[in-house]
Amino acid sequence: GESVGLHLPTLSVQEGDNSIINCAYSNSASDYFIWYKQESGKGPQFIIDIRSNMDKRQGQRVTVLLNKTVKHLSLQIAATQPGDSAVYFCAENMGAGGTSYGKLTFGQGTILTVHP
Amino acid sequence: DGGITQSPKYLFRKEGQNVTLSCEQNLNHDAMYWYRQDPGQGLRLIYYSQIVNDFQKGDIAEGYSVSREKKESFPLTVTSAQKNPTAFYLCASKEVLANYNEQFFGPGTRLTVL
Repeated sequence: GESVGLHLPTLSVQEGDNSIINCAYSNSASDYFIWYKQESGKGPQFIIDIRSNMDKRQGQRVTVLLNKTVKHLSLQIAATQPGDSAVYFCAENMGAGGTSYGKLTFGQGTILTVHP
Repeated sequence: DGGITQSPKYLFRKEGQNVTLSCEQNLNHDAMYWYRQDPGQGLRLIYYSQIVNDFQKGDIAEGYSVSREKKESFPLTVTSAQKNPTAFYLCASKEVLANYNEQFFGPGTRLTVL
């Protein structure tokens, strides 16, 4: 999972395996969470989001789980492919009501490497 | 195609010089943001703007300045007061009226101080 520090957590999986990336967020008042994927030298791309009134949301091959009791977020990627190799960031919106200016706080990131 | 563009992709600066990074969006978004990313780190917010002619400091605004004269443009100036400017700079935008939606990011500008 993500943590404070200069060395990003890493996850190595085989192609076809399921991947789970974890994130601990900091503010119990955060009401909106996003997962981004960032490939080397590029800007982050949106993967999936979830509001705090939900505990699970599914997309195409991805699922986000939210556990507000322990302030934990996870991203599950099914049938991981080499193209999924990237750094994955979670972000939390600390504003009440998904505040319009959308100020996000980002986690440190997790490096996912998928081996063919 | 709608999106966010940043230029230049790579930028080199001598110590003591100010440089300006460009960010343009044609998504008709009201809110725009500048982030800094260092190796092995997450994104840190420098400045953000919710509307034209208005902007707010983020968590690490010292040594940076911005302007928002047009809705589609939010340039960032890295001044000589920024002591460690070498980093990857990311611009983002967001629809303001819709809550609970994501920020869209540009491709980034890598700034290196020589």
